[in-house]
Amino acid sequence: EPEVTQTPSHQVTQMGQEVILRCVPISNHLYFYWYRQILGQKVEFLVSFYNNEISEKSEIFDDQFSVERPDGSNFTLKIRSTKLEDSAMYFCASREGQPYEQYFGPGTRLTVT
Amino acid sequence: AQSVAQPEDQVNVAEGNPLTVKCTYSVSGNPYLFWYVQYPNRGLQFLLKYITGDNLVKGSYGFEAEFNKSQTSFHLKKPSALVSDSALYFCAVRDVGNTPLVFGKGTRLSVIA
Repeated sequence: EPEVTQTPSHQVTQMGQEVILRCVPISNHLYFYWYRQILGQKVEFLVSFYNNEISEKSEIFDDQFSVERPDGSNFTLKIRSTKLEDSAMYFCASREGQPYEQYFGPGTRLTVT
Repeated sequence: AQSVAQPEDQVNVAEGNPLTVKCTYSVSGNPYLFWYVQYPNRGLQFLLKYITGDNLVKGSYGFEAEFNKSQTSFHLKKPSALVSDSALYFCAVRDVGNTPLVFGKGTRLSVIA
C-alpha cells in the first residue's frame, strides 16, 4: 500500500540554524500539507500546497517558513532560522482529490536547542 | 471558522466492553468529518470518514462513527474494545473545498485487560 514518507525521523538543530524537512507524498496525490504537533498538544495546520503554489497558510506559517516541490516527488518544508518554540513533530500529508481523506507521514521530530 | 471539540482527555474501558469517544464540531457548510488514530511515536492513521450518505460509517479495525447533524456530533464507537486499541484518537473536520483539516485536541483511549 502506498504511503507518505518523511525524512529525517529526528532532527536536532541549534537555534538560528536552517532546517529542511523532506516528504515524499503518495504519487498520484494532488494536494499536499504540513502540520505540526507540539508535544502534548493538538495537531495544527501550517500550509497547504496545490498546483505548485501555496493555497492556504496559517498564522504559524510566517516568513521563516517556506515550502517547495522541487521535483515531481519531493515536498519540503524549510525553516530559515529556527527558534526554541519550533520544536515539535512535523507531519506531511497528501490527498488525492475531493473529498478524499489526507494520508499522513510518520513525522519528523524537530528538536531546537 | 471550523472547530472540533473532544470533551474527554481520557477514556478508560475494559477489554471486551463497548467504547465511545466523543466529538462535536462546528463548521459553516456541510462538514467532512474524519477520525484518526495515533500510536506512540507514530504518525496519524486514517480510521474513517463521513462525507455524505448513511449517518453510520464503518472504518478500519472494527471502528464506526455516527454522524448526527442536529447534535453536530461524530462520536467514534466500537462494540468490543481490544487492548491494542489503546492510543490517541483525533477527530477532525473540514469544510468543502480545499480547506485544511482542523483537529480536536485528542482523546487518549486506554483499554484495560
